[in-house]
Amino acid sequence: DAGVTQSPTHLIKTRGQQVTLRCSPISGHKSVSWYQQVLGQGPQFIFQYYEKEERGRGNFPDRFSARQFPNYSSELNVNALLLGDSALYLCASSLASLGTGNQPQHFGDGTRLSIL
Amino acid sequence: GESVGLHLPTLSVQEGDNSIINCAYSNSASDYFIWYKQESGKGPQFIIDIRSNMDKRQGQRVTVLLNKTVKHLSLQIAATQPGDSAVYFCAESSPYAGGTSYGKLTFGQGTILTVHP
Repeated sequence: DAGVTQSPTHLIKTRGQQVTLRCSPISGHKSVSWYQQVLGQGPQFIFQYYEKEERGRGNFPDRFSARQFPNYSSELNVNALLLGDSALYLCASSLASLGTGNQPQHFGDGTRLSIL
Repeated sequence: GESVGLHLPTLSVQEGDNSIINCAYSNSASDYFIWYKQESGKGPQFIIDIRSNMDKRQGQRVTVLLNKTVKHLSLQIAATQPGDSAVYFCAESSPYAGGTSYGKLTFGQGTILTVHP
């Protein structure tokens, strides 16, 4: 069975540019979350989407935005890139819904974003 | 604020030994906990989870213990193998709040487990 897939795997950008990262959840999963992982640290929550609506947002600036499509795939957009945005961006999907409570989140292998 | 931390940043064991990785959390409202394994160049891999209405849960070669009194979580790995070498993260989640912010995981810094053959 296919797990969470993310694209691209690696990306190099320069300061001030914009980037779009993509995520396809596990089949049947309607909840998608995005995390940022800086080297040597645990992942930090950015967004959660369920049924195409934003359900949660972490402490990230408005330069970060996301959306979820009818097929439950998702995109993370980051504008006006800064050197500090260099990180591994992880997408996770789960079976969680409003009626189920927390369910395990399953992660993709991430997009490694480097800002020059 | 919320935080999840680990007591030991590194753990080195011999193949065949049992490993114990510890985690402290500070949010008393947390009711769901997960352990992840992350290998170099990969995303976190789900190992086992536990809800706050349980004290112990067992999987294949792994056991998670939850002590809500002292807000402590541990992962026990039996008969540790070289393939278990990785960074291990604990993560916690708070209850639903009207359908908002559910599923937000707060991760600790991680423990590096090294298994020597």
